[in-house]
Amino acid sequence: SAVISQKPSRDICQRGTSLTIQCQVDSQVTMMFWYRQQPGQSLTLIATANQGSEATYESGFVIDKFPISRPNLTFSTLTVSNMSPEDSSIYLCSVAGTGNEQFFGPGTRLTVL
Amino acid sequence: GENVEQHPSTLSVQEGDSAVIKCTYSDSASNYFPWYKQELGKRPQLIIDIRSNVGEKKDQRIAVTLNKTAKHFSLHITETQPEDSAVYFCAAYPNTGNQFYFGTGTSLTVIP
Repeated sequence: SAVISQKPSRDICQRGTSLTIQCQVDSQVTMMFWYRQQPGQSLTLIATANQGSEATYESGFVIDKFPISRPNLTFSTLTVSNMSPEDSSIYLCSVAGTGNEQFFGPGTRLTVL
Repeated sequence: GENVEQHPSTLSVQEGDSAVIKCTYSDSASNYFPWYKQELGKRPQLIIDIRSNVGEKKDQRIAVTLNKTAKHFSLHITETQPEDSAVYFCAAYPNTGNQFYFGTGTSLTVIP
């Protein structure tokens, strides 16, 4: 499976600021995804990061709050904008394998004060 | 859309006993069912998966069964060990889209 890295691994931010999370894969992948995992909860899909076009957002998530870039087949960023304490969560990127499997990055633990 | 339910939410077993976690799904278009293990502070790791053309799959102490008619699938862990303690998530993947639908998770504790 692909090797996936995320930066930063954790951060503590002030409310009203923005944080950009990077996801890097060691091989080209067609499908990349961004998830949120709130403490003690399951994984919620934020959006699918499409290379060369706008991301596809799930219900409850909007581009203004979570802008996503996908400049190439190995890299994506997720920005959490105008943060509030409710945005405190773990943010994970994932990539799809050849057989629809998904493999997750190590996650970014975000705390908003 | 797809709806995946997972039970139980917590499970404690004695070391050496078996553990079973069950999931149900609603969308008959789902054809891929992975299971993830997430240890505290770590990423979810794919441990086993099953596709709709197979009824059972086994990998050492872990097995997954699928009943397409009843729309449920289960994870079986035999001879449990303390390192099996983690949160386990099931998921379903409808072939009509790209999205995984995750269960709510089961926190498994194996008591030495």
